[in-house]
Amino acid sequence: EIVMTQSPATLSVSPGERVTLSCRASQSVTSNLAWYQQKPGQAPRLLIYAASTRATGIPVRFSGSGSGTDFTLTISSLQSEDFAVYYCQHYNNWPLADRSFGPGTKVDIK
Amino acid sequence: QVQLQESGPGLVKPSETLALTCTVSRYSISSGSYSWSWIRQPAGKGLEWIGHIYASGKSNSNPSLESRVTISLDTSKNQFSLNLRSVTAADSAVYYCAREGYYDHLTGILYDAFEIWGQGTVVTVSS
Repeated sequence: EIVMTQSPATLSVSPGERVTLSCRASQSVTSNLAWYQQKPGQAPRLLIYAASTRATGIPVRFSGSGSGTDFTLTISSLQSEDFAVYYCQHYNNWPLADRSFGPGTKVDIK
Repeated sequence: QVQLQESGPGLVKPSETLALTCTVSRYSISSGSYSWSWIRQPAGKGLEWIGHIYASGKSNSNPSLESRVTISLDTSKNQFSLNLRSVTAADSAVYYCAREGYYDHLTGILYDAFEIWGQGTVVTVSS
């Protein structure tokens, strides 16, 4: 089973700042990685798939990068609506279908 | 717009079976290459994938839950269901159903990310 880790656990940021969140897989997931945003009381929202492609309707300030075991989600200029918890998730299908999420990074107001 | 809605009891007794249903609207679960997933989130904690089922009926589960999980389809009602046996307080969580699969129109590839989610349903395990 692939284990996902994220750092930092919490990030205190001011609006307008650039934010970089990290995600690491215990073994290579190639580019089979997604990022989600979750606000309190809401279901997660898909931001990025295939490690670096924005889902439909996601603002260009969100970008993803990485492959193999190390991945990054960058928010170029944090907006007030971006304060939330961010999760990475891998989706490998070999040898068996396996999906797991990282523990999340909470981005809160400084 | 495709919608998913979870339903089921909000309170389950320890050692009993948690049974939830996800009703899918505006898309036939028996068509296409999407899979249909269950994901849970204990209060204040992170997300845990429980398992999924394809339109073919083939299912896969999280190894940590596999011995207690059954996921099934009811195509006549356009629903899929989760049964989690022998529950304990550790199974208390918000349970989400989700459609797994994001179709990229530029590449024609279906990526196994969770694009569409239900609103979630709270399940508490307590006597």
